[in-house]
Amino acid sequence: DTAVSQTPKYLVTQMGNDKSIKCEQNLGHDTMYWYKQDSKKFLKIMFSYNNKELIINETVPNRFSPKSPDKAHLNLHINSLELGDSAVYFCASGTWDTQYFGPGTRLTVL
Amino acid sequence: AQSVTQPDIHITVSEGASLELRCNYSYGATPYLFWYVQSPGQGLQLLLKYFSGDTLVQGIKGFEAEFKRSQSSFNLRKPSVHWSDAAEYFCAVGASGNQFYFGTGTSLTVIP
Repeated sequence: DTAVSQTPKYLVTQMGNDKSIKCEQNLGHDTMYWYKQDSKKFLKIMFSYNNKELIINETVPNRFSPKSPDKAHLNLHINSLELGDSAVYFCASGTWDTQYFGPGTRLTVL
Repeated sequence: AQSVTQPDIHITVSEGASLELRCNYSYGATPYLFWYVQSPGQGLQLLLKYFSGDTLVQGIKGFEAEFKRSQSSFNLRKPSVHWSDAAEYFCAVGASGNQFYFGTGTSLTVIP
């Protein structure tokens, strides 16, 4: 069984659209994260959720909103997509000292 | 402010040769340090971590890293590289408040 899964793996869309990326973990962790990896492989944390409560919110545009329907899921909603949003988005779960990453979602905005 | 620097963007080594990937950090308190590996098209996998105690830590896949406070470094080493080690390697520092700061990564190529 995959510990942390993300869907879709690839997402190609037009500017201005709204899209969502889903993430699920079956590890029983309380905290889940979203990271953005840009074209230069720079990895930056965007959000984390602990028991349905947002505990980190870096300087991310409010077009990005995490939604956690339950402890096992943390979905990422993006409104009014822009060219600069093109990146690979990774979901992760775990404790602060050990995180398990999903395979990533490559988002391309045209 | 916390930061992580990986000076080498890309390294090429021959299979069987030794490897050292450099990582320098900037953090005001005792750092929690990590090395992750990312294979092509995959997510990140934790190789090893340092919190306290012995400054030489062992990880998976034959990797080790040494914490040197005086040099603010946490370099990753492997005595003999295998072709399957070709990947992107990320150093990271964990800060209070459940935050993480990653370096920009070092891409490793292994030649036969």
